[in-house]
Amino acid sequence: GAGVSQSPRYKVTKRGQDVALRCDPISGHVSLYWYRQALGQGPEFLTYFNYEAQQDKSGLPNDRFSAERPEGSISTLTIQRTEQRDSAMYRCASSHTSESSYNEQFFGPGTRLTVL
Amino acid sequence: RKEVEQDPGPFNVPEGATVAFNCTYSNSASQSFFWYRQDCRKEPKLLMSVYSSGNEDGRFTAQLNRASQYISLLIRDSKLSDSATYLCVVNPLGSGGYNKLIFGAGTRLAVHP
Repeated sequence: GAGVSQSPRYKVTKRGQDVALRCDPISGHVSLYWYRQALGQGPEFLTYFNYEAQQDKSGLPNDRFSAERPEGSISTLTIQRTEQRDSAMYRCASSHTSESSYNEQFFGPGTRLTVL
Repeated sequence: RKEVEQDPGPFNVPEGATVAFNCTYSNSASQSFFWYRQDCRKEPKLLMSVYSSGNEDGRFTAQLNRASQYISLLIRDSKLSDSATYLCVVNPLGSGGYNKLIFGAGTRLAVHP
């Protein structure tokens, strides 16, 4: 079956532009997570959705970052007025539920964002 | 101090060797623990969960020491295909009861012929 998909896979933008990154989770997965991964580091939590509700956005670096999941399926991470320090791999993950602490999270291939 | 700390390596070992990775975590309330594997330029994938009693999956053995806040992964009879980055992952269940995963920076393993 299809895994988590993300688009675009690569995004190059100029400083000051807005970008929107899309995540399509595994069908039927209730929980959706956004992470950011810098080179040589592990993924860093950004935000989490349970169905369409954003349950935790404590990892979003500042108010230029926002995310939504209006119908409880596809999610969009938006970065406004991008800065060079926003350059990273942005990864989405989904899991069947969040009921158990051992539910596996399945990661997408990521969007490599480069801000010039 | 980072919430999850790992030796970055790299560990360079010959095929057939046994190699062990260690990880420490700072949040004593953490309830669930994992090892994820990440191949170069790929997404992380769950290798195994780590349970209090320790668990084994083929050549892989994971151990948890709650008192020392320490997690380990042992790989026996290393294969070339084991070359990857191994990420130690902790779920600090105190933060709402959902799976907010905290990742270490990863330990690189290179297995050579």
